[in-house]
Amino acid sequence: NAGVTQTPKFQVLKTGQSMTLQCAQDMNHEYMSWYRQDPGMGLRLIHYSVGAGITDQGEVPNGYNVSRSTTEDFPLRLLSAAPSQTSVYFCASSYAGQGFYEQFFGPGTRLTVL
Amino acid sequence: GIQVEQSPPDLILQEGANSTLRCNFSDSVNNLQWFHQNPWGQLINLFYIPSGTKQNGRLSATTVATERYSLLYISSSQTTDSGVYFCAVGVTDKLIFGTGTRLQVFP
Repeated sequence: NAGVTQTPKFQVLKTGQSMTLQCAQDMNHEYMSWYRQDPGMGLRLIHYSVGAGITDQGEVPNGYNVSRSTTEDFPLRLLSAAPSQTSVYFCASSYAGQGFYEQFFGPGTRLTVL
Repeated sequence: GIQVEQSPPDLILQEGANSTLRCNFSDSVNNLQWFHQNPWGQLINLFYIPSGTKQNGRLSATTVATERYSLLYISSSQTTDSGVYFCAVGVTDKLIFGTGTRLQVFP
């Protein structure tokens, strides 16, 4: 049982480039979400999904796209990277509604946009 | 939206000391979790505690939902306790994080 896994661990992009951060979980959790953490701050919700085929926006969704074609995977796409997107990105999953159930987090992806 | 405030923002302790971290929230919540972010950035679940008291070794937590606060107690602190402690509250389908308490434990 690997829990929540994220790839890559580190990434450097140039402004305007696009990329996809991968997230997978093997706990058969319905809910998955993406957060970003900026220096000295708590985590802020980007997008979340309540099940395969269903996604919704969080606090800071601009510049990011998500899709959920399977229960296990929830990739986060940066369409045109900007320096303001330099951050650490965490993926999380839970059995059901993240407002109600315990959340489990992946190890994070540290992204730098030059 | 709901506000989640943690205090103190910074805490410096000598090994063996006890401490209490506080989390206040401005509205009713469905759940509350405490996390430890270690110096390598990993987020570790400490407690899932929407109400009541739980203990796990040297750590314990109490949430008084009616008064909108939660406390995390660390007893006999160790250098491995260093890092940032976050509380997060659940509201409908969202988990909202506080800004954290940074703890440094020196030998």
